[in-house]
Amino acid sequence: GAVVSQHPSRVICKSGTSVKIECRSLDFQATTMFWYRQFPKQSLMLMATSNEGSKATYEQGVEKDKFLINHASLTLSTLTVTSAHPEDSSFYICSAQSKGALDEAFFGQGTRLTVV
Amino acid sequence: GDSVTQMEGPVTLSEEAFLTINCTYTATGYPSLFWYVQYPGEGLQLLLKATKADDKGSNKGFEATYRKETTSFHLEKGSVQVSDSAVYFCALTKYSSASKIIFGSGTRLSIRP
Repeated sequence: GAVVSQHPSRVICKSGTSVKIECRSLDFQATTMFWYRQFPKQSLMLMATSNEGSKATYEQGVEKDKFLINHASLTLSTLTVTSAHPEDSSFYICSAQSKGALDEAFFGQGTRLTVV
Repeated sequence: GDSVTQMEGPVTLSEEAFLTINCTYTATGYPSLFWYVQYPGEGLQLLLKATKADDKGSNKGFEATYRKETTSFHLEKGSVQVSDSAVYFCALTKYSSASKIIFGSGTRLSIRP
């Protein structure tokens, strides 16, 4: 199946700094990418949807200035957590869809962010 | 709005036991239905899917049948293994230019040797 690579898998950062998470589709063109956040023992919460070359659409309650999403190419989307705080510590997962398979998404391995 | 409801966990079974994880959905139109599995510390992997009524998805001994009359997509496996311990998510999506996946809350499954 299609492969989505997410990097880094784990990151620890200090409060007030910014962290960038990359999501790459390795063998297909991802017209749409999704970013999710998962709290311990909870389901995935959709944060935003991004289409290549356009601004991301954020879900209600998600601060767009805090969670910057860039989808500059058909194979790469990035999520930057700006001025991170301990409450931003979470598991972040991206998924990607291709134009040819709109009913299926392929997920990255996830990034465990810890803000200290 | 569209939603997915699945049984709460955690579910703990002995090896070789029969597994059922219930999932029901609410959606307009004709959604595609999925089961995803998340092993500890990893992202989600698609386990199986069904795209229309009465379809049966199957993979790795797991099965689920798309039941439109009961709006259900229950996950079953005849004989579970320790390696099946994971969190299972039921999900749906509808065909569109940017289909969002709507997830259930997840069910944690633990299998005792």
